[in-house]
Amino acid sequence: DIQMTQSPSTLSASVGDTIIITCRASQSINSWLAWYQQKPGKAPKLLIYKASSLASGVPSRFSGSGSGTEFTLTISSLQPDDFATYYCQQYNTYSLFTFGPGTKVDIK
Amino acid sequence: EVQLVESGGGLVQPGGSLSLSCVASGFTFNKYWMSWVRQAPGKGLEWVANIKQDGSEKYYVESVKGRFTISRDNAKNVLYLQMNSLRAEDTAVYYCVTYGVVVAGSDYWGRGALAIVSS
Repeated sequence: DIQMTQSPSTLSASVGDTIIITCRASQSINSWLAWYQQKPGKAPKLLIYKASSLASGVPSRFSGSGSGTEFTLTISSLQPDDFATYYCQQYNTYSLFTFGPGTKVDIK
Repeated sequence: EVQLVESGGGLVQPGGSLSLSCVASGFTFNKYWMSWVRQAPGKGLEWVANIKQDGSEKYYVESVKGRFTISRDNAKNVLYLQMNSLRAEDTAVYYCVTYGVVVAGSDYWGRGALAIVSS
C-alpha cells in the first residue's frame, strides 16, 4: 500500500506570510497528487490536481509542485481565509486512494 | 450545478448495519467513477471505496473489506454504501465524492452523512 506523510502537522503563520507544506509518498505516484483545503464543519475543497494544476476558482496564490514521491503546496501571501487544514491525496490507481494526515495552518 | 446529497446516517449499535445513499445531480452520473470518503470526529480524511462508471470495478480500504459494499444505480443517479458489522471506529462523517467531472481529481463533495456506532 502507498503511505502518505505530510509535514509539518501544524504550522503557525501570519497574514502575508508564504508557507510551504510538504507531502511524501512511500512509492512513486508520478503526478497523481491532489491538495484539499478543509475548514471546520465543511467538506474538503479541491485546490490542486495532478500535482501542479490549479482547480477552477482557486486563487493563484496557491501553487503545487513535485512528482514521483515528493510534493509541495505553497501558499503565497497568506490571507485570513486560508487558515484551515490541508490534506494531500494520492490517486495513482483507482484501487487505492490515500490521504495524508493533514496540516493545520493557524494564526501565529 | 453539481449537487451530491447524502442521507441515511444515524445511530446504530456495534455489529449493526446502516445504508447510506447519495443522490447526484448536475452532471452525467453514469460517466464518472464515484467514491466514499470518511472522517472520524476530530480526525483526518480516509478514503473508503471507489466504484467504476458501470459498477464493474469496486475497491475498498482494507479496514472495511468484507463489511462495506459500494454500489450505484445509474438509472436513478444514486450512489450507495451498505455498511454491515459496524464497529465504533466506523463512526464518522461519510462524504460522497465525484472523480473527474471537471478535472482529474476528487472534484465535488457532498455535505456528508454522520454515522455513529455506539451502544
